[in-house]
Amino acid sequence: SAVISQKPSRDICQRGTSLTIQCQVDSQVTMMFWYRQQPGQSLTLIATANQGSEATYESGFVIDKFPISRPNLTFSTLTVSNMSPEDSSIYLCSVTRGSVYNEQFFGPGTRLTVL
Amino acid sequence: KQEVTQIPAALSVPEGENLVLNCSFTDSAIYNLQWFRQDPGKGLTSLLLIQSSQREQTSGRLNASLDKSSGRSTLYIAASQPGDSATYLCAVSGNQFYFGTGTSLTVIP
Repeated sequence: SAVISQKPSRDICQRGTSLTIQCQVDSQVTMMFWYRQQPGQSLTLIATANQGSEATYESGFVIDKFPISRPNLTFSTLTVSNMSPEDSSIYLCSVTRGSVYNEQFFGPGTRLTVL
Repeated sequence: KQEVTQIPAALSVPEGENLVLNCSFTDSAIYNLQWFRQDPGKGLTSLLLIQSSQREQTSGRLNASLDKSSGRSTLYIAASQPGDSATYLCAVSGNQFYFGTGTSLTVIP
């Protein structure tokens, strides 16, 4: 398994500001993923972050709005930029060891409320 | 595009009852299927992973089956307990992970 921590666990932010969420894994992993879970909804993949390359964004998500860093094999950040109330969600990072063939593990999530 | 559906959306059962949660997916070309538990406002906890070549996996009171050809998986929970109350999500992996809509389970003491 993998132990994943996220910071902050929750935050309340003002419209127009930005928030950076950190994800730390207890061991080196190849693939890290960022998801959004809007209230009452299932998970939607924002992007896949592999170390040493640019993040790959899913349809409907753009780098200007959700810039991602992946400086090493145990850490990643997701920034939610120029926030609006529609960005209020739980943001989750997850990892797999190796590829999509393998088990996926999740962090505890960051609950974001935008006023 | 892969679509994953879970039925029922919500389920309420008395303590001690055995229950089955259902997950269906539209594209059978998957690598694996994973069941998760999510408590309110929290992250996801992995329960069981079934590789595409496998038919079922068991962990304690949980048993998950996979019928890839028909695009179905079930999660069987034996002798349910109030602590089992949570939302249960299934996810399939193809070129990425696709999540179901979840089943909200309440076990009544």
